[in-house]
Amino acid sequence: NAGVMQNPRHLVRRRGQEARLRCSPMKGHSHVYWYRQLPEEGLKFMVYLQKENIIDESGMPKERFSAEFPKEGPSILRIQQVVRGDSAAYFCASSRQLNTEAFFGQGTRLTVV
Amino acid sequence: DQQVKQNSPSLSVQEGRISILNCDYTNSMFDYFLWYKKYPAEGPTFLISISSIKDKNEDGRFTVFLNKSAKHLSLHIVPSQPGDSAVYFCAASANYGGSQGNLIFGKGTKLSVKP
Repeated sequence: NAGVMQNPRHLVRRRGQEARLRCSPMKGHSHVYWYRQLPEEGLKFMVYLQKENIIDESGMPKERFSAEFPKEGPSILRIQQVVRGDSAAYFCASSRQLNTEAFFGQGTRLTVV
Repeated sequence: DQQVKQNSPSLSVQEGRISILNCDYTNSMFDYFLWYKKYPAEGPTFLISISSIKDKNEDGRFTVFLNKSAKHLSLHIVPSQPGDSAVYFCAASANYGGSQGNLIFGKGTKLSVKP
């Protein structure tokens, strides 16, 4: 049973470009969460999705960031017009049910140059 | 405003001894707590969890204690092994309103177990 798969592992973007981060949850998991970890910080919640629905996006910046979890395919975190401050590790997690252990992917390290 | 606090950024322990990692929280609505372990360049790995209806949960060498009145939980690792060296994150969630489903993480404690 494959774990949570994130790709790419590393992503370099120039300022102003778009970054697309993908996450395939574990088999049987319908809850997906995105977190961001800045250097020397803990993980910060960004958004919680179920299939085709955004349940909680209270941690998402108001502009440039969006997330989706379509009926088919992986969840996508999209960052438009990236800036240097977006450089971070972005982790996706999935769980079978609410408030059960969430399993994390290995993360995507975004570097904006 | 940090709702989950891990006040010790680092902890060093001798192999075979007990490691105690501490976590404090401020939100009395939190009802589920988890500990994750993280190696460099990898995603966090779930270790152990506890519901607010319990005060202790044990799994092998790992035990989590919850003191609701003090809003404090701790993770005990005994005996500690060099392979336990990693960053440990405490996380909490509250099953209410718009925050349903998300985890609030502390900043982590880096544990070093010396042979």
